[in-house]
Amino acid sequence: QKEVEQNSGPLSVPEGAIASLNCTYSDRGSQSFFWYRQYSGKSPELIMFIYSNGDKEDGRFTAQLNKASQYVSLLIRDSQPSDSATYLCAVVGPDSSYKLIFGSGTRLLVRP
Amino acid sequence: DGGITQSPKYLFRKEGQNVTLSCEQNLNHDAMYWYRQDPGQGLRLIYYSQIVNDFQKGDIAEGYSVSREKKESFPLTVTSAQKNPTAFYLCASSNGEGTEAFFGQGTRLTVV
Repeated sequence: QKEVEQNSGPLSVPEGAIASLNCTYSDRGSQSFFWYRQYSGKSPELIMFIYSNGDKEDGRFTAQLNKASQYVSLLIRDSQPSDSATYLCAVVGPDSSYKLIFGSGTRLLVRP
Repeated sequence: DGGITQSPKYLFRKEGQNVTLSCEQNLNHDAMYWYRQDPGQGLRLIYYSQIVNDFQKGDIAEGYSVSREKKESFPLTVTSAQKNPTAFYLCASSNGEGTEAFFGQGTRLTVV
């Protein structure tokens, strides 16, 4: 079982819709969770981080964490074509509080 | 400006040659990371370092070597033992346990 799993997509949504991206992780002891956005050919950039159960909102983005079910999600409200990118979920791994493990990413396409 | 600098952006090498990728950060971060990304794939951890003169293998360390002689520098050597070295290499740094990582712009290595 992979440590961090994401649906590869593509997830296609119309402009203005809510995009929902999901991620599951295998280590129940994981404490820190991150969402990165990566445009084609570029390096990842941090969008959100979340440490506690519940929701965390930042502008159009909301991260949701459920440690009991071992999943973390990212909601993008009022999706724009510029949001089209690959979204990577990352979790601090089981072996070390420094070891940051990434999922394979979900490709999001926002249709104008 | 604070940040992470990777050089060069593009690198071409002949098969069988060792090559060293540079990564420098001026963020005063303790931890540094090297990831490899293949087309359409997520990030796979090669090596990480929590502190100067100490580093740990990630999930795909075979055929790679690193050093951490200075806090700001974490060079990666791709050796001839790495069977498929052509990939996009990303260096990152973070400020402490369980905190977010920030990425350099990446080095695209092509071995011919």
